[in-house]
Amino acid sequence: KAGVTQTPRYLIKTRGQQVTLSCSPISGHRSVSWYQQTPGQGLQFLFEYFSETQRNKGNFPGRFSGRQFSNSRSEMNVSTLELGDSALYLCASSSSGGTSGKGSSYEQYFGPGTRLTVT
Amino acid sequence: SQQGEEDPQALSIQEGENATMNCSYKTSINNLQWYRQNSGRGLVHLILIRSNEREKHSGRLRVTLDTSKKSSSLLITASRAADTASYFCATSSGGSNYKLTFGKGTLLTVNP
Repeated sequence: KAGVTQTPRYLIKTRGQQVTLSCSPISGHRSVSWYQQTPGQGLQFLFEYFSETQRNKGNFPGRFSGRQFSNSRSEMNVSTLELGDSALYLCASSSSGGTSGKGSSYEQYFGPGTRLTVT
Repeated sequence: SQQGEEDPQALSIQEGENATMNCSYKTSINNLQWYRQNSGRGLVHLILIRSNEREKHSGRLRVTLDTSKKSSSLLITASRAADTASYFCATSSGGSNYKLTFGKGTLLTVNP
């Protein structure tokens, strides 16, 4: 099986711009999560999507948003970029079985990340 | 906020030695996972231990969990230079098994 893929791998943006990052999960995985990694704050959870619905949300401002498509691919968007948004953005997929938990496996498989630099 | 805190922050050993990393957390958990990250790349899942388990093995890895002390340890036996990486513990709690809270990690350096 192909792993989690993220595009683009590197991105340079200017303050005030917006950016969209893309993630394709492992085939068959329906849960997609996003994390931000910075040297100062470490790894922080942004949100998780399952079956096109946001199921969990972290403590990030509304400038950070996401969505999931019917094929489980996910995008995250950051509007009005700030210098502090410079980070490695990681996407992870998991084989969640939904509310019943049937078929769920809680291990998360991460993509290589998108390194965003805001200047 | 960080749920897990790894100890030590950095560890340097010789090839062939064992490496032990510890993780402490603050609240009750559903499960605890360990991940490895090589130099700013994506994370690789190593092992998951559920809250009702005390010990788990996978190859050269051994994980223990002490829920009374809210702590876990990861032991890597017979370390190799290729084990050089950052190691993170991550916990999930409540109804959110897919919302992981990570510690700040231990940077392990294995010298040839």
